[in-house]
Amino acid sequence: EPEVTQTPSHQVTQMGQEVILRCVPISNHLYFYWYRQILGQKVEFLVSFYNNEISEKSEIFDDQFSVERPDGSNFTLKIRSTKLEDSAMYFCASSDRVEKLFFGSGTQLSVL
Amino acid sequence: DAKTTQPPSMDCAEGRAANLPCNHSTISGNEYVYWYRQIHSQGPQYIIHGLKNNETNEMASLIITEDRKSSTLILPHATLRDTAVYYCIVRGTSGDKVIFGPGTSLSVIP
Repeated sequence: EPEVTQTPSHQVTQMGQEVILRCVPISNHLYFYWYRQILGQKVEFLVSFYNNEISEKSEIFDDQFSVERPDGSNFTLKIRSTKLEDSAMYFCASSDRVEKLFFGSGTQLSVL
Repeated sequence: DAKTTQPPSMDCAEGRAANLPCNHSTISGNEYVYWYRQIHSQGPQYIIHGLKNNETNEMASLIITEDRKSSTLILPHATLRDTAVYYCIVRGTSGDKVIFGPGTSLSVIP
């Protein structure tokens, strides 16, 4: 079965540094998403992306966050100036027009 | 988005059927019922979805009541690997974001 690939699996950074989390969605999918999950909490929606623009974003997705699909295959999440509370597992997902979201295995971000 | 209500936790004996209930009394006519699960901080995994008819696939069965206000996910022969958090989600047209609630933590017991 096709899968969503996320890199790196773990990312450690210093507070205030910029990080870029990378995702390769399934090739024929049109909708792309980022979610995060703080340890012990529920999975939270961050942003959805369609037709090269953000279609919806949550309150969490403030000016420190941005997304990009730079080359038609990768989908990235950038956090400009990381904070301690950004420490979480970040999941990328993609879907076609029909139905289910496919999630990647996540990037564990630790901000020190 | 319509909201769902699930029990926070359930136990099931290995080899038995696991029946996970979900209430979604405010579901609207064009919204589907989806089920996902998350095994120990892995990425959520799609299980099944339906609109109003019962559905079955290789993983599970989904039973939706006639009034569509509730549904039940059935894992026919639960194994230890089915221990996970199960999320019942109501979702509209394609492209809509999936909003996760707290889900039901299912423990399959040997």
